[in-house]
Amino acid sequence: DTGVSQNPRHKITKRGQNVTFRCDPISEHNRLYWYRQTLGQGPEFLTYFQNEAQLEKSRLLSDRFSAERPKGSFSTLEIQRTEQGDSAMYLCASSSGISTDISYNSPLHFGNGTRLTVT
Amino acid sequence: QKEVEQDPGPLSVPEGAIVSLNCTYSNSAFQYFMWYRQYSRKGPELLMYTYSSGNKEDGRFTAQVDKSSKYISLFIRDSQPSDSATYLCAMSLADGLTFGKGTHLIIQP
Repeated sequence: DTGVSQNPRHKITKRGQNVTFRCDPISEHNRLYWYRQTLGQGPEFLTYFQNEAQLEKSRLLSDRFSAERPKGSFSTLEIQRTEQGDSAMYLCASSSGISTDISYNSPLHFGNGTRLTVT
Repeated sequence: QKEVEQDPGPLSVPEGAIVSLNCTYSNSAFQYFMWYRQYSRKGPELLMYTYSSGNKEDGRFTAQVDKSSKYISLFIRDSQPSDSATYLCAMSLADGLTFGKGTHLIIQP
C-alpha cells in the first residue's frame, strides 16, 4: 500500500495526558499536512511542512500542539495536556509541491486518520 | 459568513438518478477547487481537481466551476448505492485547503 499511513487508528486517553500520532506520507511527496475533523464538519487546517520545514500554522494550533517532520519523511503530531475538546479525527495528507506558495498545489491525498477520544 | 458554504443534507435520491452537489464561497482569491468523497471512519478521497472555470468530466463525475458567481458543483450520473458517502468541496488558498462541511448523500437501491 503506497498511500498515506497513520498510526494509531484510534486513541483513547484521559484528560491531561499527552498523546502522539504518526503519519507516513506517500514517499515521493515533499509536502505534509495535518488537519482536524469533528463530527459533521469538514477538515480544518492545522499545519503544513515542505520537506522538514514547518511553513504554516493555523491559529487553531494552540501551544499544547506541536508537530515535527525531522527528516522530511514521516511526521508526528503531539498534543500535551489533552482536553475533552481535543476529541476529533486527526487527518494527515501529503502532496507534491514545486513552490513554497501553498496555493500552487497538487491535490492532497489523505490518510484514514487517527480518531482521538479524550475522557 | 463562513468562507465556504455547503448544505450538509442528508440528500436522498433513488439509484440511477443524477445527483447535484453544490458549494458557494466568498473569497475570490481561491484558485484551486476540489471534491472529496469520505466514507464513514475513513479519510477523504480525492474525486475531482480543477483550477479554472468551466466543466471537467471524469467517468460518471462532472465538476463545474463558476468563478464569477463563486459557485462550484459536482454532478454524479447513474448514481449507485456505493456512491453513498459524504462529499466535501475544498478550495485552495495560502494556508492550505478550506473545506465545506460536507453533504451526506444517500443513494436508495
